[in-house]
Amino acid sequence: EIVMTQSPATLSVSPGERATLSCRASQSVSSNLAWYQQKPGQAPRLLIYGASTRATGIPARFSGSGSGTEFTLTISSLQSEDFAVYYCQQYNNWPALTFGGGTKVEIK
Amino acid sequence: QLQLQESGPGLVKPSETLSLTCTVSGGSISSSSYYWGWIRQPPGKGLEWIGSIYYSGSTYYNPSLKSRVTISVDTSKNQFSLKLSSVTAADTAVYYCARDNSNLVDYWGQGTLVTVSS
Repeated sequence: EIVMTQSPATLSVSPGERATLSCRASQSVSSNLAWYQQKPGQAPRLLIYGASTRATGIPARFSGSGSGTEFTLTISSLQSEDFAVYYCQQYNNWPALTFGGGTKVEIK
Repeated sequence: QLQLQESGPGLVKPSETLSLTCTVSGGSISSSSYYWGWIRQPPGKGLEWIGSIYYSGSTYYNPSLKSRVTISVDTSKNQFSLKLSSVTAADTAVYYCARDNSNLVDYWGQGTLVTVSS
């Protein structure tokens, strides 16, 4: 099983600032990496796939980068609706698809 | 707009079988492009992929759960179902049904909490 490790566990950011979230894979997943956003009491929402492609309807302030074992999700200017938990997911090692433990982005 | 809705008991006794159904509306489960899957999330914790099924009945399961999981499909009802046997308290979670788009999830149900307790 590929273990996905996200850091930091919690990120405190002021509205309008940039947020940078990290995801590390225990072995290479190529670019088969997705990011999801989850707000309290809601299902997750797909943000990014292929490490860097925004899903339909996702604002341009969300961007993803990386390949292999190191990935980054950047939110360029945090809006109030962006405070949530973010998960990465690898889909390279099928069928053992795995998620990271999440990063909570909270208001500073 | 595609919608998915989970249904089933919210409380299951230890050692019994958890059974959930997902009803898909706004689209056909027989679409050739997608699998249909289940993902769970223990309270306050992260996400775990359980498995997925194609409309033809082809399945794939998370190896860590494979021995206890069965996913089935009923195309006539536009539904698919999850059975998880021999449950313990560790299986307490919110269970989501989802559209599996090339091993990504692009549509989710709202989720249903299943508690394992006597």
